[in-house]
Amino acid sequence: AQSVTQLDSQVPVFEEAPVELRCNYSSSVSVYLFWYVQYPNQGLQLLLKYLSGSTLVKGINGFEAEFNKSQTSFHLRKPSVHISDTAEYFCAVSGNAGGTSYGKLTFGQGTILTVHP
Amino acid sequence: NAGVTQTPKFQVLKTGQSMTLQCAQDMNHNSMYWYRQDPGMGLRLIYYSASEGTTDKGEVPNGYNVSRLNKREFSLRLESAAPSQTSVYFCASSLLAGENDEQFFGPGTRLTVL
Repeated sequence: AQSVTQLDSQVPVFEEAPVELRCNYSSSVSVYLFWYVQYPNQGLQLLLKYLSGSTLVKGINGFEAEFNKSQTSFHLRKPSVHISDTAEYFCAVSGNAGGTSYGKLTFGQGTILTVHP
Repeated sequence: NAGVTQTPKFQVLKTGQSMTLQCAQDMNHNSMYWYRQDPGMGLRLIYYSASEGTTDKGEVPNGYNVSRLNKREFSLRLESAAPSQTSVYFCASSLLAGENDEQFFGPGTRLTVL
């Protein structure tokens, strides 16, 4: 079984400050990792994903994440945030388990990032 | 391309009423999904359709039924709504049902059951 834990439910930060949103996962199989962003009253959009290769993944809007297999983490970072980054961020994991062809996507609880002027 | 569209955007039901949430995608994707989003719980999979003609239960299927009408459309039905089904419902699609496929989400339907 897979699970995802986002360690902070809310993260307030001032504009132009750096931010890190933390995500830990557990899985008995190899995983693929995703970060999605949800702006107010909208659906989810993909920020970035880790499938294989380099453990540092760059996404849209200046975000990046680092896959750490030994710590089972996939933390999201941005060196300087903007007001427009205010949103809810979801970490998600998928992995093929049990011989099925479907890779179930399991979401974390979400982290609300609020950027203050 | 409109991407993934959902109707209605908002709905209020009384306990015991039924309704169908509609979802359509124009990206020629094979796989479609229905999720519900509740505060502090992230998104939970209700049902999915890996390809046209197939549907399978997800994590929280009780109280729901689905129909994959054709490749484009995937509907979610509440036969007898309950207050516990008050939630935001998202439809998503992906090219394939593989574990590394990006899912594209619709704007959501906010449902309140009184």
